[in-house]
Parts: sequence; structure tokens; C-alpha cells
Amino acid sequence: GQNIDQPTEMTATEGAIVQINCTYQTSGFNGLFWYQQHAGEAPTFLSYNVLDGLEEKGRFSSFLSRSKGYSYLLLKELQMKDSASYLCAVRENTDKLIFGTGTRLQVFP
Amino acid sequence: DAMVIQNPRYQVTQFGKPVTLSCSQTLNHNVMYWYQQKSSQAPKLLFHYYDKDFNNEADTPDNFQSRRPNTSFCFLDIRSPGLGDAAMYLCATRRTTGRTEAFFGQGTRLTVV
Repeated sequence: GQNIDQPTEMTATEGAIVQINCTYQTSGFNGLFWYQQHAGEAPTFLSYNVLDGLEEKGRFSSFLSRSKGYSYLLLKELQMKDSASYLCAVRENTDKLIFGTGTRLQVFP
Repeated sequence: DAMVIQNPRYQVTQFGKPVTLSCSQTLNHNVMYWYQQKSSQAPKLLFHYYDKDFNNEADTPDNFQSRRPNTSFCFLDIRSPGLGDAAMYLCATRRTTGRTEAFFGQGTRLTVV
């Protein structure tokens, strides 16, 4: 079966660093995506990992360990506008794109 | 310019009255997805197309059907909407070559009265 787990909620302070974890068990693996979603809006793409290691993109970085079924999204220099839900999604070999439970991040001044 | 377009943005339908949601894309992507997202929950995959090949999720109710007449368009038909079907419905597309992400439309928020 499929299981993609994330913490439900996290809080952090403006300017700080936050790490959002994602663990997965899926039928086949063909890449992991991180999306940001503001309330009432569509998800927007943040990052993609298919090989082990760290991918950096400005204030956002994402890490993958395929052997551990684990990824994290690292957000640096947090801004108020980073308050949103962060969704981990796994692409299975069949082209299915399955989303995790999502993490709601609140950034406080 | 919008690349994945969903119409309408807001849809109100009566309990039991069939409703169709539409999605179009200008990206020529061969994979299209339909997701249902309820408040404070993650998007739940209903089905997806790889070109014309239709892939239904095992737990998608029979009440939900889909059509993809050509590459650009995909429809979600809800044959007899119930109150529990009120949700945001998201369409997404992706191409299969290379390392690509899925592009989402703005979604259709369905209200059932």
C-alpha cells in the first residue's frame, strides 16, 4: 500500500530555519516532489529529488534518502509569506503522483 | 499565461444533479490527473490518464467518471453529487520525459446544496 507521512503542523519565527520531514512507503519510486499551497489556491512546485542527496534552490533545499524512504524540505530565512501548507508527493513507476498528508507551517513575527 | 485552466472556478450544484468540471491545457502534456481536496487535507488522487489510457484509483467511488476526448481536454463527471462530494477539485498535467513536475490548474470549488 501507499503511505506518505508528514507532521500535521509546525510553527517557526521569521528569519529562522525550519525542516519539514516526509517519510514514504510506496509501490515503486520514480521521484519525490515538494509543493507549497496557500489556502484556497492550487499547489505550486518547489523542488524535485530522484537521486539521493540535497537539491538547493535559493532559500529552499530538499533532501532525499531512497534507502530510508525519507525526505525533508529545508526553508531558510523564513518570511511571513512562507506561512502555507507544504505537500510531499511521490511519483510511482505507474506515473501516479500521490500526495502526503501535508504540513501546515505558521510563521510568526 | 495560464497553462492549465479549470472551469468554472466555483460551481454550485444540487444534491443528486449531475455536474461536469472541465480542465484544459496548452502544454501538450500526455499525463493528466484529477484530485479531490477537502478542507485542511492533502489532495487525493481520483484517477489519471497516460495519453488515452485511463487509470482509476481503487477507492474512487463509481459516482465519479472521467473523459479525455483529446490531449488538451479532460472532464470530471459526478453523476449524483452528495453533500460529501463538496470539495476543491484540482486538475494537473505532466509530461513523462525528463524530470518534470506536475502543473496544477486553479481548481474548481464545488458546493452541493
